[in-house]
Amino acid sequence: KQEVTQIPAALSVPEGENLVLNCSFTDSAIYNLQWFRQDPGKGLTSLLLIQSSQREQTSGRLNASLDKSSGRSTLYIAASQPGDSATYLCAVMDSSYKLIFGSGTRLLVRP
Amino acid sequence: EAGVAQSPRYKIIEKRQSVAFWCNPISGHATLYWYQQILGQGPKLLIQFQNNGVVDDSQLPKDRFSAERLKGVDSTLKIQPAKLEDSAVYLCASSLGGGATEAFFGQGTRLTVV
Repeated sequence: KQEVTQIPAALSVPEGENLVLNCSFTDSAIYNLQWFRQDPGKGLTSLLLIQSSQREQTSGRLNASLDKSSGRSTLYIAASQPGDSATYLCAVMDSSYKLIFGSGTRLLVRP
Repeated sequence: EAGVAQSPRYKIIEKRQSVAFWCNPISGHATLYWYQQILGQGPKLLIQFQNNGVVDDSQLPKDRFSAERLKGVDSTLKIQPAKLEDSAVYLCASSLGGGATEAFFGQGTRLTVV
């Protein structure tokens, strides 16, 4: 059974810092991995999608990497801003196209 | 293109009452998911449809939850009777289908059972 873990559960950093969020999964038989952002009381916004054959994806200040063999992904946020404060969720799509989520990392960027 | 639409946004009901949520996926998306997200946790998959067929409902509490996807487009999720522990955000998502595609989420329905 696929399990997804995210560390840390919460993170508080001063504005301008570069930071890394971690995601690990137990079964490497995945189609893709997605990183989402969730603001309080809102739905999920897709940030980056990495296919199983890819190593990384970039969008603006965000860079996500995938190491399928070790079951790990990282989300790197450069030059963090208070507007980046949110919960970040990673999800893997397993071999039956189920999207399985971690429990998220709550990020607070202090001005 | 229009996103995933869900209604209502908020619902408060008493325990033992029934409630229904509606989801309209992105046009052309074959796969539709319903998730339950309890405060402070990640979303938990309740049911997954491929067109109008159920792919996975292993975590759906079938004694009280039911879901259908009419004609492979819109979907409804029903709870009857509701329990206090059903208080959560119910999220609907859709994707084109297959392993290479991105999932898009609606704004969710926040259910409070009192």
